[in-house]
Amino acid sequence: EPEVTQTPSHQVTQMGQEVILRCVPISNHLYFYWYRQILGQKVEFLVSFYNNEISEKSEIFDDQFSVERPDGSNFTLKIRSTKLEDSAMYFCASSEPGRSGNTIYFGEGSWLTVV
Amino acid sequence: DAKTTQPTSMDCAEGRAANLPCNHSTISGNEYVYWYRQIHSQGPQYIIHGLKNNETNEMASLIITEDRKSSTLILPHATLRDTAVYYCIVRGYSGAGSYQLTFGKGTKLSVIP
Repeated sequence: EPEVTQTPSHQVTQMGQEVILRCVPISNHLYFYWYRQILGQKVEFLVSFYNNEISEKSEIFDDQFSVERPDGSNFTLKIRSTKLEDSAMYFCASSEPGRSGNTIYFGEGSWLTVV
Repeated sequence: DAKTTQPTSMDCAEGRAANLPCNHSTISGNEYVYWYRQIHSQGPQYIIHGLKNNETNEMASLIITEDRKSSTLILPHATLRDTAVYYCIVRGYSGAGSYQLTFGKGTKLSVIP
């Protein structure tokens, strides 16, 4: 069964450093998403991406965040200068349009720890 | 904010059916009901979705009331591996395809041996 894959599974970084989280969406999907979950809290939407541009973003997705599809298969989330409060599980997801509803499928997540 | 209300937690005996309720009284006519689950901080796993008809797949059944203000997810024979947080999500579908999901706190289902 096709799946969304994410790397790394866990990353520890120092405050102020740049981090890039990588994702390979399901191959025939056209819409890509990032969500995050701070430990013990709800899953929160960050951003959605379609046709090489951001289609929707939340208040959390401020100027320190950026997304990119550098080639035909990868989708990345960059955090420019990490803060302690960026420590969270980051989930990549993808979907395709369809008449019955475009189900969003999630990866297993990248756990980011900022120290 | 999430447009759904779910019980905080439920228990179910192994092998029995688990019935997870969800209220979505403000649902609009073109909004779908989606169910996901999350097992111990893994990625949310899609279970099933529906608009107004009842739906069934290999994982579960979804029963939506006629007025669409509530629904029930049914796991027919719960196993220990079904222990997870279950999220009921109302999601609009415009045809544009990028409508995101708004997660609430969900229902923590514990399947008991």
